[in-house]
Amino acid sequence: QVQLVQSGAEVKKPGASVKVSCKASEYTFTTYYIHWVRQAPGQGLEWMGIINPSGGSTTYAQKFQGRVTMTSDTSTSTVYMELSSLRSEDTAVYYCARGGIIPNLRGELDYWGQGTLVTVSS
Amino acid sequence: QPVLTQPPSASASLGASVTLTCNLSSGYSNYKVDWYQQRPGKGPRFVMRVGTGGIVGSKGDGIPDRFSVLGSGLNRYLTIKNIQEEDESDYHCGADHGSGSNFVWVFGGGTKLTVL
Repeated sequence: QVQLVQSGAEVKKPGASVKVSCKASEYTFTTYYIHWVRQAPGQGLEWMGIINPSGGSTTYAQKFQGRVTMTSDTSTSTVYMELSSLRSEDTAVYYCARGGIIPNLRGELDYWGQGTLVTVSS
Repeated sequence: QPVLTQPPSASASLGASVTLTCNLSSGYSNYKVDWYQQRPGKGPRFVMRVGTGGIVGSKGDGIPDRFSVLGSGLNRYLTIKNIQEEDESDYHCGADHGSGSNFVWVFGGGTKLTVL
């Protein structure tokens, strides 16, 4: 069974950075895109970006450009999402999700991680 | 890029049927939409993809036959028959747009389904 296991909850101060990990298993890691999606408390889903775990190429939502960095480590089948210059509005649950088979960007998000709560508070 | 609009809430009685709607903005009538179920306190779960011809591809793992989809014009529908308590969830629709560096994924605001 495909699994995406994320790192644990984080509490950060405004202005700091956070790095969330997402470890994939039970499928060929370099074959599928990985998306990052966040959900603020009581709100809907917000797409942050996508990474090709094989070559590391990324596309970020315009809202997060300049603040987000997505990377991958093929040796451990893990992708990372780092968000910098945190503010209170970044308090949310952050999810990774498996996307389409490379090079098809348009695949559904068929498996999701359990989510990582990031709290930004002074 | 498309805008996806969903009513914020819906309700249905146990054993009844309900149809949830996701409306695409004008000009995007050929777009496919994905449905995601999010149970309270849990992460989203892929339900299925829908275009104007109905389901595209396969349902997500463990999605029962009670769930079906239709597409017409700018609307994409998710119908749940014989509603069970476990179906009480938020349902999100989403769609991709663009390619390469212009690729984006957009979601609707979600519909909270209450089982009465």
